[in-house]
Amino acid sequence: GNSVTQMEGPVTLSEEAFLTINCTYTATGYPSLFWYVQYPGEGLQLLLKATKADDKGSNKGFEATYRKETTSFHLEKGSVQVSDSAVYFCALPPSGNTPLVFGKGTRLSVIA
Amino acid sequence: NAGVTQTPKFQVLKTGQSMTLQCAQDMNHEYMSWYRQDPGMGLRLIHYSVGAGITDQGEVPNGYNVSRSTTEDFPLRLLSAAPSQTSVYFCASSKVRAGGGNEQFFGPGTRLTVL
Repeated sequence: GNSVTQMEGPVTLSEEAFLTINCTYTATGYPSLFWYVQYPGEGLQLLLKATKADDKGSNKGFEATYRKETTSFHLEKGSVQVSDSAVYFCALPPSGNTPLVFGKGTRLSVIA
Repeated sequence: NAGVTQTPKFQVLKTGQSMTLQCAQDMNHEYMSWYRQDPGMGLRLIHYSVGAGITDQGEVPNGYNVSRSTTEDFPLRLLSAAPSQTSVYFCASSKVRAGGGNEQFFGPGTRLTVL
């Protein structure tokens, strides 16, 4: 079945540092790929997505490129801010009768 | 649009009690699901539904029941609460389009404590 593997946290960075959170997936075909973010005390919200190979999703300074060859969708940001402190989830969306599949989440803490 | 709404926000139960967590969406989404999130852990799928009258089990279905009599509502029933069910529960919904690419919309969560 479909699965997502993402790097375990927690990750602690200083403000303005470069961020990478790795995500690889196993799925049939070429599904869309998502990153969700969960800020403290809140539900999850979509951060960015890519719907086909070589697509780059971007939002709020975050980027992720859908790499079919390496089945990866790593999340990157060039300069993190304290307000980026959150838990980040890589996900395969539901399709047909296959439910949404999440990675285990990576907690990011950014210190000033 | 209200999006995905969940009630209650907080609930405390005693072991053995039953209750229903409510979830509703006003976006005409076919797909709805329930997750639980335990401290320091990711989301685990409890049950999901791809349309009215259709439900299926996720990763951790034991101790929970669901039904989907309408497109809008997807209640989660705890049959006999146990301390192991202390968690934050999230409901989510999305369209189901061929090829995926369907953004999930999440409710704000219900924080449940079982004593």
